[in-house]
Amino acid sequence: AQSVTQLGSHVSVSEGALVLLRCNYSSSVPPYLFWYVQYPNQGLQLLLKYTSAATLVKGINGFEAEFKKSETSFHLTKPSAHMSDAAEYFCAVSDIAGTASKLTFGTGTRLQVTL
Amino acid sequence: NAGVTQTPKFRILKIGQSMTLQCTQDMNHNYMYWYRQDPGMGLKLIYYSVGAGITDKGEVPNGYNVSRSTTEDFPLRLELAAPSQTSVYFCASSPRAKDEKLFFGSGTQLSVL
Repeated sequence: AQSVTQLGSHVSVSEGALVLLRCNYSSSVPPYLFWYVQYPNQGLQLLLKYTSAATLVKGINGFEAEFKKSETSFHLTKPSAHMSDAAEYFCAVSDIAGTASKLTFGTGTRLQVTL
Repeated sequence: NAGVTQTPKFRILKIGQSMTLQCTQDMNHNYMYWYRQDPGMGLKLIYYSVGAGITDKGEVPNGYNVSRSTTEDFPLRLELAAPSQTSVYFCASSPRAKDEKLFFGSGTQLSVL
């Protein structure tokens, strides 16, 4: 069975500071990994995805994530936080070639950005 | 393009009442999904459909029914509402089964009292 664990349900950073949101996964086969973002009162949007092509994945809005097999991690980072980054972020894993019906979502991390 | 449209945005039901959550997409996507989002629990898949006339259960289907008579529409039916169904419901679509870019609607917040 596959699963993801997001460490920290709430993260607060100052504007301009580094954003680091943690995700660890468990999968019996090479995983497909994703980060989704949910802005207030909206549905989720895909930020980036890892599908075994490159371990460092760049997404939208300056976010990137690095797949580390030895650590079973897929942490999301952004060098400099903006106020507009305040949202909830979900890590997700699929072990069947990215099949959406087999996605398992994490419990989410709410990012707060302060002045 | 409107994308994925869900109605209503908010609804309060009494225990035992029934209702249908509507979902429509105008992107001609074959695959559609219903999720529920509970606080601190992430998203759970309720039902999904791979095309008109074909539906299948997800992780938490009990208490719900779906139908897919057209490519565009994928309504979710609650027959006997229970407090455990208080949640935020999201409809999503994708053009292919193996396309992890899901397009989400803005959600329906449902309270069962």
